[in-house]
Amino acid sequence: QQQVKQSPQSLIVQKGGISIINCAYENTAFDYFPWYQQFPGKGPALLIAIRPDVSEKKEGRFTISFNKSAKQFSLHIMDSQPGDSATYFCAASISGNQFYFGTGTSLTVIP
Amino acid sequence: DTGVSQDPRHKITKRGQNVTFRCDPISEHNRLYWYRQTLGQGPEFLTYFQNEAQLEKSRLLSDRFSAERPKGSFSTLEIQRTEQGDSAMYLCASSFAGTFYNEQFFGPGTRLTVL
Repeated sequence: QQQVKQSPQSLIVQKGGISIINCAYENTAFDYFPWYQQFPGKGPALLIAIRPDVSEKKEGRFTISFNKSAKQFSLHIMDSQPGDSATYFCAASISGNQFYFGTGTSLTVIP
Repeated sequence: DTGVSQDPRHKITKRGQNVTFRCDPISEHNRLYWYRQTLGQGPEFLTYFQNEAQLEKSRLLSDRFSAERPKGSFSTLEIQRTEQGDSAMYLCASSFAGTFYNEQFFGPGTRLTVL
């Protein structure tokens, strides 16, 4: 059973546009929601993370929006650049113990 | 390089053979995680250690999989009697428990191919 559901599977965005990736979860015990970026042949790298006591967190061009009542969270990439082309994973964890990852979104930013 | 390192980076083996992978975490990190990632999927949690204690191993894929972290530093993941379905990328990550966000740092992975 997929603990974290991620969509879309793939996304194509024009340079300068906004990329939006969505995730949903069921387990209300999750208390940590990170997003990872992965380039081919590399391990995932943490982009940004949020705890459920806040509804939004912004770091540079990356923003997480969190809706606790809907059990959904999303990643927004503003002013998307070709260098952002990668696979993005959302994840959820209980106190940093077991982590559950989404299935990934392949983002392509067209120049 | 002070990041997480994994060895080997690639392993090709024949079905039925045993394989062992090594992970060296960031030196001050007390938590170490193992994941499996298949093509087009997200990392799948297998097990994790805090120092030398293995705190969760129920999600290891079968009893053919085992992991150790004998001195609380490096860790090994062993797969016995490999099967073709074990072909995947095996990722290791480390973190320092107690930081607010418990940020995990991933290694580059070991790609296993079982013929």
